[in-house]
Amino acid sequence: QVQLVQSGAEVKKPGASVKVSCKASGYTFTSYGISWVRQAPGQGLEWMGWISAYNGNTNYAQKLQGRVTMTTDTSTSTAYMELRSLRSDDTAVYYCARATGAARDWGQGTLVTVSS
Amino acid sequence: DIQMTQSPSSLSASVGDRVTITCQASQDISNYLNWYQQKPGKAPKLLIYDASNLETGVPSRFSGSGSGTDFTFTISSLQPEDIATYYCQQYDNLPLYTFGQGTKLEIK
Repeated sequence: QVQLVQSGAEVKKPGASVKVSCKASGYTFTSYGISWVRQAPGQGLEWMGWISAYNGNTNYAQKLQGRVTMTTDTSTSTAYMELRSLRSDDTAVYYCARATGAARDWGQGTLVTVSS
Repeated sequence: DIQMTQSPSSLSASVGDRVTITCQASQDISNYLNWYQQKPGKAPKLLIYDASNLETGVPSRFSGSGSGTDFTFTISSLQPEDIATYYCQQYDNLPLYTFGQGTKLEIK
């Protein structure tokens, strides 16, 4: 069965960077894209961006342009999301999802806390 | 960018009630609309895809309808386990997604 397993919780200081991983199994990794979605405490879902696992093409939400980079390692079927210049309002649970139109498979989420 | 307006933001209903949530797109998105359920501390779960198709394994009390700009999500008979937050999501301009603001459903 499809599984997406994310890296563990992180605590970062303002201005630092964080890199979250998402290891996929149970399907052909390069046949699907990976979307990243975050959810601040008590808030709704926010789409961050998407990466093609086939060719590495990316598309980022406008508000995160310049601070976010999404990559993949096809040799390990792992996707990565790096967010730089962290601020307190980046505190959220970050999810990866196997996605074309509908996102049927999600990681368990990674809590990133930004605090001085 | 396509904006999604979901309403209501919260809803209180009794077990057995029919519950309806709406989602309006800022432009025509055909049927490129999905509905998700999210329970506290869990990842979202896909319930309805392409506006009206029930995802495998999802109870038939859940349904979706609509096309163009106006969409509806319905629970025909609310069950206690349906307490969650529900989100619509458009994918007309892939790979960009947009989620609605969410509807928190509570038991009266």
